[in-house]
Amino acid sequence: NAGVTQTPKFRILKIGQSMTLQCAQDMNHNYMYWYRQDPGMGLKLIYYSVGAGITDKGEVPNGYNVSRSTTEDFPLRLELAAPSQTSVYFCASSPDPTENGNTGELFFGEGSRLTVL
Amino acid sequence: AQKITQTQPGMFVQEKEAVTLDCTYDTSDQSYGLFWYKQPSSGEMIFLIYQGSYDEQNATEGRYSLNFQKARKSANLVISASQLGDSAMYFCAMRVAGANSKLTFGKGITLSVRP
Repeated sequence: NAGVTQTPKFRILKIGQSMTLQCAQDMNHNYMYWYRQDPGMGLKLIYYSVGAGITDKGEVPNGYNVSRSTTEDFPLRLELAAPSQTSVYFCASSPDPTENGNTGELFFGEGSRLTVL
Repeated sequence: AQKITQTQPGMFVQEKEAVTLDCTYDTSDQSYGLFWYKQPSSGEMIFLIYQGSYDEQNATEGRYSLNFQKARKSANLVISASQLGDSAMYFCAMRVAGANSKLTFGKGITLSVRP
């Protein structure tokens, strides 16, 4: 049981390049999230999904796109990378918080450290 | 909108002593959950403890307990018998009930345990 797997763990991009951060979970969770964490700061929500085919913007969606074609995968696409996107990105999943017995606790991946130069 | 406030910039505690990390929250919803996560220097996010808004007893998990004061909208984390491995950043988070709910995080508190 791998939990939430993110790839790559580290990446350096040049300004204007694009890339996709991959995220996969094997816990059959409907809910998935992408957060970014800037140095010394808390986590800010970029996008989230409550099920396959459904995505919604979080607090800081500009410059990013997501898709959710399967329950397992939730890739995050960075288009035209900018230095302001230098951050650590966390993918997370949770069981449906509306179901009885579920707290909605997030299960996190190990994070992906992205540097844009 | 939900808001989590963690204002302590950094905390120091002597090994084996107890420490309280403060968290206040703001929501107009009656049904919500409060979470604490630990982030050590290695970077991973570790779930510590959960408190539901309708839970009558304060949550406890081993050396962690949550001092939940609903009227004051505070959810402070108490770590008893601090260990060197407790040195980390600690985040308070909240989720309100609902199908599209998501976790909102505070800015975190850095805890350093002194030997």
